[in-house]
Amino acid sequence: QKEVEQNSGPLSVPEGAIASLNCTYSDRGSQSFFWYRQYSGKSPELIMSIYSNGDKEDGRFTAQLNKASQYVSLLIRDSQPSDSATYLCAVNFGNEKLTFGTGTRLTIIP
Amino acid sequence: EAQVTQNPRYLITVTGKKLTVTCSQNMNHEYMSWYRQDPGLGLRQIYYSMNVEVTDKGDVPEGYKVSRKEKRNFPLILESPSPNQTSLYFCASSPYGGYGYTFGSGTRLTVV
Repeated sequence: QKEVEQNSGPLSVPEGAIASLNCTYSDRGSQSFFWYRQYSGKSPELIMSIYSNGDKEDGRFTAQLNKASQYVSLLIRDSQPSDSATYLCAVNFGNEKLTFGTGTRLTIIP
Repeated sequence: EAQVTQNPRYLITVTGKKLTVTCSQNMNHEYMSWYRQDPGLGLRQIYYSMNVEVTDKGDVPEGYKVSRKEKRNFPLILESPSPNQTSLYFCASSPYGGYGYTFGSGTRLTVV
């Protein structure tokens, strides 16, 4: 069974600080990794994708991938109250299916 | 506007009464998928489609049917709904395999 694991939280971070969200996955052969943000009552929104080892930056967001450790993370710099949401990690295990973790609930404290 | 459109947004039905949730995308995407989201269980894939007339089971296909007769449409059919199918359903599309999905707004289904 191919799995994606996330700490469910809640994770509380002061406004302006760095929020760090982590995700591990079960298959070392996985190729595609995604972070989605989901506000309460809304649909998931793709915010980052990463395909190779290392860091990928987009504005205040940085995705980090370590395939040897089967670990992908999302850093949010200068956290804002609008970043309060559930963050979903998703992995394509190479079988045309996108498998999601259960999500980490992030709360930014003003 | 590029989007995935699901209908209806909310649906309450009775056990055993066949229903269809429609999904349409206007982005000419090859891949389409249905997920259900339940508290504590996250998003679980029901079925996916790689192209017209090509579909395959996801992780929780029991009790559901799909069809892909046109590239833009991917309806989800519950032939005999049961209370354990009460859930929030999302349709999603992607330009190709291994790429991130764009999600529709969701359908909240209650089966009584």
